[in-house]
Amino acid sequence: DAMVIQNPRYQVTQFGKPVTLSCSQTLNHNVMYWYQQKSSQAPKLLFHYYDKDFNNEADTPDNFQSRRPNTSFCFLDIRSPGLGDAAMYLCATARSYSYNEQFFGPGTRLTVL
Amino acid sequence: DQQVKQNSPSLSVQEGRISILNCDYTNSMFDYFLWYKKYPAEGPTFLISISSIKDKNEDGRFTVFLNKSAKHLSLHIVPSQPGDSAVYFCAARISGSARQLTFGSGTQLTVLP
Repeated sequence: DAMVIQNPRYQVTQFGKPVTLSCSQTLNHNVMYWYQQKSSQAPKLLFHYYDKDFNNEADTPDNFQSRRPNTSFCFLDIRSPGLGDAAMYLCATARSYSYNEQFFGPGTRLTVL
Repeated sequence: DQQVKQNSPSLSVQEGRISILNCDYTNSMFDYFLWYKKYPAEGPTFLISISSIKDKNEDGRFTVFLNKSAKHLSLHIVPSQPGDSAVYFCAARISGSARQLTFGSGTQLTVLP
């Protein structure tokens, strides 16, 4: 089945210790997104790629970086995690900007100690 | 500035009855609206959508109504089933734009057997 996969599902890191979250997709979609969702809040877009074209949201902290080495994979790097970065991180894909539906992965729950 | 609002964080209904989930938006540029359903430990999954050129869209037990003048949409589930218990997110976008989905904060629906 075509799908969006996120690894790991649960990640524990220490304050200030870099961490990388992974997303892969078998849908061959052009667009990949990273969202941050804190408890009882709306998912908040951090950035997205259209192919290799990176688009950062204006209020995404510099602490968050992303890489998309190929169509299938996209990574979220948090350079120095703070306690406030503990959240669910959701990866999503879309065929292109012309298609409204986004397909989500199961998310990675990040805990910062 | 929360452009998509779901003012009810939770809703409980009896099995077999109607569930009505509400969503309000403030940005008049939004022209496409989606509902996502999220189970614990899973990513959001697309449920149903509606374009601003319509005022109703139906898919089985799920119907979405759009009132553009009131900037309000609602999701009706009839009849409600225990398996419908989940968090429901309303989302909106401007079709074809690079700007992505703007989500509400979600409503936890509990269907009581």
